[in-house]
Amino acid sequence: NAGVTQTPKFRVLKTGQSMTLLCAQDMNHEYMYWYRQDPGMGLRLIHYSVGEGTTAKGEVPDGYNVSRLKKQNFLLGLESAAPSQTSVYFCASTFGPFIAKNIQYFGAGTRLSVL
Amino acid sequence: DAKTTQPNSMESNEEEPVHLPCNHSTISGTDYIHWYRQLPSQGPEYVIHGLTSNVNNRMASLAIAEDRKSSTLILHRATLRDAAVYYCILEPSSGTYKYIFGTGTRLKVLA
Repeated sequence: NAGVTQTPKFRVLKTGQSMTLLCAQDMNHEYMYWYRQDPGMGLRLIHYSVGEGTTAKGEVPDGYNVSRLKKQNFLLGLESAAPSQTSVYFCASTFGPFIAKNIQYFGAGTRLSVL
Repeated sequence: DAKTTQPNSMESNEEEPVHLPCNHSTISGTDYIHWYRQLPSQGPEYVIHGLTSNVNNRMASLAIAEDRKSSTLILHRATLRDAAVYYCILEPSSGTYKYIFGTGTRLKVLA
């Protein structure tokens, strides 16, 4: 049981390049989330999804797009990378909508540098 | 959304209990209180959560004040592996389970 898997683990981009971060979970979770974490700060929510085919904006959505075409996958896209998007990105998932089981399971993170 | 306030850092000696405080004075009646921790270079991991009553699990205990405006995470015997950033998070009952992470408390465990 792999849990939440993020690919790639590391990436270096040049300003203006595009890329997609993949998050996959094998726990049949309904809800999935993308966060970013900057040095010395907590995690900030970028986008989230409450089910296959649905997405919604979080706290810091600008410059990112997401898709949830399959229940187990949640993709985060950067269309035109900027240095301000240098960060560590974490994906998480949770059962939802039952509060008693609402534990978020996190991936190991993707470290992205935009030069 | 309600926010939490935690000390930036704390220190503890190995094998001793640790009490990590969290203030959440604007908590609403249906917000759950969650604690997660983040070990170096890893994603956050769940520690414990509760609503009104104190909670215990194999990792820790959660003590919730009667007015729910504060809570304390208790690690009964700190080990070097418990050195991490601990986040106290309120989960609003809006149904989307969106967490708001603060900056957390960095726990240093001294050998």
